[in-house]
Amino acid sequence: DAGVTQSPTHLIKTRGQQVTLRCSPKSGHDTVSWYQQALGQGPQFIFQYYEEEERQRGNFPDRFSGHQFPNYSSELNVNALLLGDSALYLCASSRAGGSMNTGELFFGEGSRLTVL
Amino acid sequence: SQKIEQNSEALNIQEGKTATLTCNYTNYSPAYLQWYRQDPGRGPVFLLLIRENEKEKRKERLKVTFDTTLKQSLFHITASQPADSATYLCALRDTGRRALTFGSGTRLQVQP
Repeated sequence: DAGVTQSPTHLIKTRGQQVTLRCSPKSGHDTVSWYQQALGQGPQFIFQYYEEEERQRGNFPDRFSGHQFPNYSSELNVNALLLGDSALYLCASSRAGGSMNTGELFFGEGSRLTVL
Repeated sequence: SQKIEQNSEALNIQEGKTATLTCNYTNYSPAYLQWYRQDPGRGPVFLLLIRENEKEKRKERLKVTFDTTLKQSLFHITASQPADSATYLCALRDTGRRALTFGSGTRLQVQP
């Protein structure tokens, strides 16, 4: 049973560019959450997708946008990259029904973004 | 403002001892609180969940307590091993919210 998979694992961009990160949730999961983790910090919630809609959003600017596809996979897009966007971007999946009971998140290994 | 605080200093203990990590929160009404383990360069891995109406939960060598009056959770690892060395994150789901909010984590180093 494949867990949460993310791609790419590492990427380097320059300021002002745009980036797209991809996530496939664990089999049977329908909810995807994205987090940003700066070095030495805990994960910061960006947004959550369920049934192809953004259900909740954290304190991130509109430069951060996302999408969920009918197969539950998801993309995170960041426009007009800033140096401060350099971080590990984590995707986490859960089951909507299950999340109401356990709330356990299954994380991927992340996409390490470096902005130069 | 809302805060989740974990000790930012690394905790160093000897193998076989009990490690105790603290998570304090301010201005949250958590429906539940979770603990995750994160190894360098890896995604967090779920360990335990404790609900607002529970005082204590155990799983093998792990124990979590939850005191909603003190607004604090304690995470214990008994008979610690060098393999337990990692960063431990607490996270909570605020009542009425869907997202998990994480603390900044505490790094545990178990010396052989």
